[in-house]
Amino acid sequence: AIWMTQSPSLLSASTGDRVTISCRMSQGISSYLAWYQQKPGKAPELLIYAASTLQSGVPSRFSGSGSGTDFTLTISCLQSEDFATYYCQQYYSFPRTFGQGTKVEIK
Amino acid sequence: QLQLQESGPGLVKPSETLSLTCTVSGGSISSSSYYWGWIRQPPGKGLEWIGSIYYSGSTYYNPSLKSRVTISVDTSKNQFSLKLSSVTAADTAVYYCARDRWDTAILNWFDPWGQGTLVTVSS
Repeated sequence: AIWMTQSPSLLSASTGDRVTISCRMSQGISSYLAWYQQKPGKAPELLIYAASTLQSGVPSRFSGSGSGTDFTLTISCLQSEDFATYYCQQYYSFPRTFGQGTKVEIK
Repeated sequence: QLQLQESGPGLVKPSETLSLTCTVSGGSISSSSYYWGWIRQPPGKGLEWIGSIYYSGSTYYNPSLKSRVTISVDTSKNQFSLKLSSVTAADTAVYYCARDRWDTAILNWFDPWGQGTLVTVSS
């Protein structure tokens, strides 16, 4: 099984900040990684797939990068609606698994 | 716009079988590029993929749950269903259904998701 480590678990930031969230794999997964955003009481929503491809309708302030074992989700200019929990998900290895989540809270 | 909606009992007794249905609207469940999946999230915790089904009935299950899970599909109703047997308190979670992208012979990502339904296992 592939172990996934998301960091940090909690990130305190202000509107307008640039934030980065890391997702590290125990073994290489090429670019088989997706990112989701989940707001309290809501279902996750797909932000990025194939490590760096922005899902249709997702604001361009979101970007993804990385390949192999190290991946990053970046929000270039944090907006109020971006305070949420973010999950990475690998689909290289069966079964697919999710990171433990990074909560982005208001500083 | 494709929408998914979970339905089923919100309370299940220990040792019994959890049963949920996902109704797909705004599109056909018989799409060649997608499986249809179930994912769960215990309160305050992370996400766990349960299993996925193709409109033909082909299934993939998470090995950690495989012995207790059955997923079925009803294309005439545009629905797919989850059964989880011998439940315990550890199965208490929000259960989501989602469209599951199938590409290059592997299951990929989930989009969109249903709103989720909380199932509590308690006597």
